[in-house]
Amino acid sequence: KQEVTQIPAALSVPEGENLVLNCSFTDSAIYNLQWFRQDPGKGLTSLLLIQSSQREQTSGRLNASLDKSSGRSTLYIAASQPGDSATYLCAVGAYGNNRLAFGKGNQVVVIP
Amino acid sequence: DTEVTQTPKHLVMGMTNKKSLKCEQHMGHRAMYWYKQKAKKPPELMFVYSYEKLSINESVPSRFSPECPNSSLLNLHLHALQPEDSALYLCASSQELKGSFYEQYFGPGTRLTVT
Repeated sequence: KQEVTQIPAALSVPEGENLVLNCSFTDSAIYNLQWFRQDPGKGLTSLLLIQSSQREQTSGRLNASLDKSSGRSTLYIAASQPGDSATYLCAVGAYGNNRLAFGKGNQVVVIP
Repeated sequence: DTEVTQTPKHLVMGMTNKKSLKCEQHMGHRAMYWYKQKAKKPPELMFVYSYEKLSINESVPSRFSPECPNSSLLNLHLHALQPEDSALYLCASSQELKGSFYEQYFGPGTRLTVT
């Protein structure tokens, strides 16, 4: 069974600093990996999807990398802003299986 | 358009009531999902429909009954719920091609309170 871990559970950073969020998974036979953002009481917003054949994906200030061999993905958010305050969830998809294994999330606060 | 819509946004129901949650997408996705999310926890998969057929039921109690009337709509019928069923119910959809599944898009959720 795929286990997904996100550490730390919560972190605070001053505005302008780069954010680095880590996700680790136990089974390297993944199909894809998806990063989501969730604001309190709201749905999940897809940020980036990385296919298993890719090493990274970029969208604006966001960059996500994937290292299957070590079972890790990292989400970088450049020049953080107070509006980046949210919970960030990592989810891993398996081959031929539309179940996503979610981590518990990183709760981020960007301090103005 | 990458939008998944859900109605209602909030729902309060008694344990003897019958209600339904609705989800709609117009992205042409053939896989649709129901998730349950409790506070401070990640979403938990409940049901998956693939090409309008139920493909996954994660041992969900029968008081939750899913329905997929067509490829754009997904319903969750609720009956005789318990207070512990209070949660945020999320709908999602994704493209599915020859058994491969792609990016999941989530709706805003329905906040359900069972009294």
